[in-house]
Amino acid sequence: KQEVTQIPAALSVPEGENLVLNCSFTDSAIYNLQWFRQDPGKGLTSLLLIQSSQREQTSGRLNASLDKSSGRSTLYIAASQPGDSATYLCAVTTGGFKTIFGAGTRLFVKA
Amino acid sequence: DGGITQSPKYLFRKEGQNVTLSCEQNLNHDAMYWYRQDPGQGLRLIYYSQIVNDFQKGDIAEGYSVSREKKESFPLTVTSAQKNPTAFYLCASGSQRTSTDTQYFGPGTRLTVL
Repeated sequence: KQEVTQIPAALSVPEGENLVLNCSFTDSAIYNLQWFRQDPGKGLTSLLLIQSSQREQTSGRLNASLDKSSGRSTLYIAASQPGDSATYLCAVTTGGFKTIFGAGTRLFVKA
Repeated sequence: DGGITQSPKYLFRKEGQNVTLSCEQNLNHDAMYWYRQDPGQGLRLIYYSQIVNDFQKGDIAEGYSVSREKKESFPLTVTSAQKNPTAFYLCASGSQRTSTDTQYFGPGTRLTVL
C-alpha cells in the first residue's frame, strides 16, 4: 500500500532564507508526483508536477526534484517571503489515477 | 470564469441528519473526486467518478453516498451512518488522461456536527 510521508510537519524560517521540504513514498510505481499549496481554510493549488520519467521541475523560486528509485522528492524554495506561508502537500498518483497525499508541511516565513 | 465551486462554505449537522454537499465544475473534466481532510492528516479519498453514471468507493466511503448524473456535478451526501463527520471536505476534478494531468480543487466545505 502506497504511503506518503512529509518531514518536517512544521517549519518556521526568517524571510529571505532558502529552504527544503521533504517527501518520501513507499512504492516507486508512480505516474507522477505533485506538490500543492494550501492556504488556511482553502482548497489546494498545484505548484509543480513531475512525471515519473523526469528528475525535476522548476517554476519561479520553486524547484522540485524526484528520485523514484529511493522514493524521495524535495521542494526547494529560494529566497522565502512571508507570502510563502502556507501548508505544502506532496502527492503521488498511481495506477488508476489514484492520488495519495502526505499530511503536509506547515511553513511560516517571518518578516 | 472556469473552475470548481463548492457550497455551502460552512455546514452544520445535527445528530441523525443527512446533509448534502454540492460540487460543480465547468472545466469539462471527466473525473471528479471527493476528499476528506482532518487536522494534521493528508487528504483521504471518499469517492471518485471517472465518467457520468459511474463512481467507485475510495478508502473511507462508509457513511457517505454520491451520484454522478451530469458531467458537471458530483454531490456528496453525508449520512447519519457516518459517526464522525466533522471535517473539511474538498472536491476536485481532472482530465486524468495522461501523466501530466493534475487535479483542480474547489474551495472546500467545512462540516461541523452540533
